Amino acid sequence: EDQVTQSPEALRLQEGESSSLNCSYTVSGLRGLFWYRQDPGKGPEFLFTLYSAGEEKEKERLKATLTKKESFLHITAPKPEDSATYLCAVQAQETSGSRLTFGEGTQLTVNP
Amino acid sequence: NAGVMQNPRHLVRRRGQEARLRCSPMKGHSHVYWYRQLPEEGLKFMVYLQKENIIDESGMPKERFSAEFPKEGPSILRIQQVVRGDSAAYFCASSPLGQGYGYTFGSGTRLTVV
Repeated sequence: EDQVTQSPEALRLQEGESSSLNCSYTVSGLRGLFWYRQDPGKGPEFLFTLYSAGEEKEKERLKATLTKKESFLHITAPKPEDSATYLCAVQAQETSGSRLTFGEGTQLTVNP
Repeated sequence: NAGVMQNPRHLVRRRGQEARLRCSPMKGHSHVYWYRQLPEEGLKFMVYLQKENIIDESGMPKERFSAEFPKEGPSILRIQQVVRGDSAAYFCASSPLGQGYGYTFGSGTRLTVV
């Protein structure tokens, strides 16, 4: 069974204080690893897809990296507007469709 | 370019009633997915549909839940005889292709069973 574990559950940062969120996964053949951002009362917003170990993607202050067992979401010099829950999900090669298995998320709070 | 549209945003039902949740995918998207987010839990896959076909319903409870995506009109998630444990946020997502692509999620329907 595919599993995704995110850590920490919650993270408080001061504005400008860089940090990383972790996503550990177990999957029977990875098709893709996805990062989403979710604001309270809203649906998840797509950030990145990573397909193979060693791949990196960047968007503004966010950078996602992938190894064979985990992914990191690096946040450089965060701002209060980066406060949200960050979700990691995997898609296995063996699934009949496009089912994603999500972790429970990391709730990030950035204080001004 | 409208995103994934879900309605209603909030739905209150008494125990034993039926709940109907609607989802209109993004224009050009033919793949629809339903996920459920229980309080303090992560998103859980329920069902994957294409027009007039259920592709994967492995996450759907065997009883009381059904989903459809007709040739015309929105996708519908139907919950019969709701119970308190059905209270959750239900999210719909769509994609233009199936495997390996990120979904676009709607804002969800928050179902409260009283």
